[in-house]
Amino acid sequence: SAVISQKPSRDICQRGTSLTIQCQVDSQVTMMFWYRQQPGQSLTLIATANQGSEATYESGFVIDKFPISRPNLTFSTLTVSNMSPEDSSIYLCSVGSFYEQYFGPGTRLTVT
Amino acid sequence: KNQVEQSPQSLIILEGKNCTLQCNYTVSPFSNLRWYKQDTGRGPVSLTIMTFSENTKSNGRYTATLDADTKQSSLHITASQLSDSASYICVVGGEDSSYKLIFGSGTRLLVRP
Repeated sequence: SAVISQKPSRDICQRGTSLTIQCQVDSQVTMMFWYRQQPGQSLTLIATANQGSEATYESGFVIDKFPISRPNLTFSTLTVSNMSPEDSSIYLCSVGSFYEQYFGPGTRLTVT
Repeated sequence: KNQVEQSPQSLIILEGKNCTLQCNYTVSPFSNLRWYKQDTGRGPVSLTIMTFSENTKSNGRYTATLDADTKQSSLHITASQLSDSASYICVVGGEDSSYKLIFGSGTRLLVRP
């Protein structure tokens, strides 16, 4: 298994600003994933972040809005840029293999 | 279109009672099906994972079943406890190397004393 921590755990931000979310894993992993969970909804994959390569974004998500860094095998950041109230969600990072994924505790973002 | 549908959307039961949650999927090709428990304010935690060749898997009071022919799965919770109050998410993995998962919308379970 993997132990995943995220910072911040929650934040309230003003529209038009940006927030960077950090994800730290207690072991080296190849693939990291960023998900969004809107209120009352299930998880939606934003992008896959592999160390040493550009992140791969899912349909509906773009790098200008959600830039991702993956500087090493234990750390990644997701930035939510130029925020609007529609970005209010829980953002979760995840690591894993084909048969198992472990999720971080999430970052609860509220945009006012 | 690959989809995972869960029912019921929400459920209230009394402590000590059993319950069964349902999951239907249309993901193809299919590789594996997982059940996750998500407590409020927490990330999902894996309960069970089954490949297409497995029919049932247990984890304590949680028992998952899978019928790959009808593309249905269920999660049975025995002797419910207050701590079982959470969202239960059915997740299906397709048969590719992209590690992409397809998430159901979850069932919100509330266990009352």
